[in-house]
Amino acid sequence: QVQLQESGPGLVKPSETLSLTCSVSGGSISSYYWMWIRQPPGKGLEWIGHISYSGSTNYKPSLKSRVTFSVDTSKNQFSLKLNSVTAADTAVYYCARGAVAGIVGWFDPWGQGTLVTVSS
Amino acid sequence: DIVMTQSPDSLAMSLGERATINCKSSQNVLYSSNKKNYLAWYQQKPGQPPKLLIYWASTRESGVPDRFSGSGSGTDFTLTISNLQAEDVAVYYCQQYYGTPYTFGQGTKLEI
Repeated sequence: QVQLQESGPGLVKPSETLSLTCSVSGGSISSYYWMWIRQPPGKGLEWIGHISYSGSTNYKPSLKSRVTFSVDTSKNQFSLKLNSVTAADTAVYYCARGAVAGIVGWFDPWGQGTLVTVSS
Repeated sequence: DIVMTQSPDSLAMSLGERATINCKSSQNVLYSSNKKNYLAWYQQKPGQPPKLLIYWASTRESGVPDRFSGSGSGTDFTLTISNLQAEDVAVYYCQQYYGTPYTFGQGTKLEI
C-alpha cells in the first residue's frame, strides 16, 4: 500500500527556511492531491496546504506569504519550504494524501511525521 | 474559514461503555449536488500520526472496528464508540474537507 515518509532537518534557526520532503512509495504520485499538515507540541492539527501531481497549489491564507510547495513526479516526492520561521513554527510536520483521486477528499494515508524545532 | 468545534474536550469512560463525541461546523458541509457530508473523523494515539476512522460523515474506513460509527448531517456530527476497549485511548479529531482551508476540530481526549 502507499506509504509516505517525511525527511529534513529537525532544527532550524529563527528567520531561516524550513525545508521538508515527503517521499511516496508503493504507489504513484499521479492523480492525487498531496497535503502538508502540522501539529505544534501538545496542540491540534493545522492544514498548511496541498499540491496536485501537476503542481497546482492551495495554501492556507495565513501562511501563503511564507510557504512554497513543489512536486517531483520523477522521484515520487513533494516538498515544503516555509521561510522566515519563528518559534511558532515549531511542530510535527506531516505529509498526507488526499484520499480520492481527482479531488481532495479526506486525508489518508499519513506519514509518520517529523518534529521541526525552530531555535537558535 | 469553517470553524470545527468539538465537545467535550475530554471524556473519562469505563471499559465496555459507549462514548459520544460531538462536532459542530460553523457552516454547512453537506454538498447539495451529491448529498454527501464532507466530514471525516480521525484517531490519534501518542507519538503516532492521525488514523482515518470515518469519511463522508458515516462511512467506516476498511479495517476499522464496527464499534466506531459516525452520524449527523449539515453542521452537527457525532462519533460514537461502543463497547470501549483499552486501545481506544486516544485523541479524536473531526475534519471538514468541504472547502479550503481544510480545518480540524480542537480534539477530544478519551481516557478509560
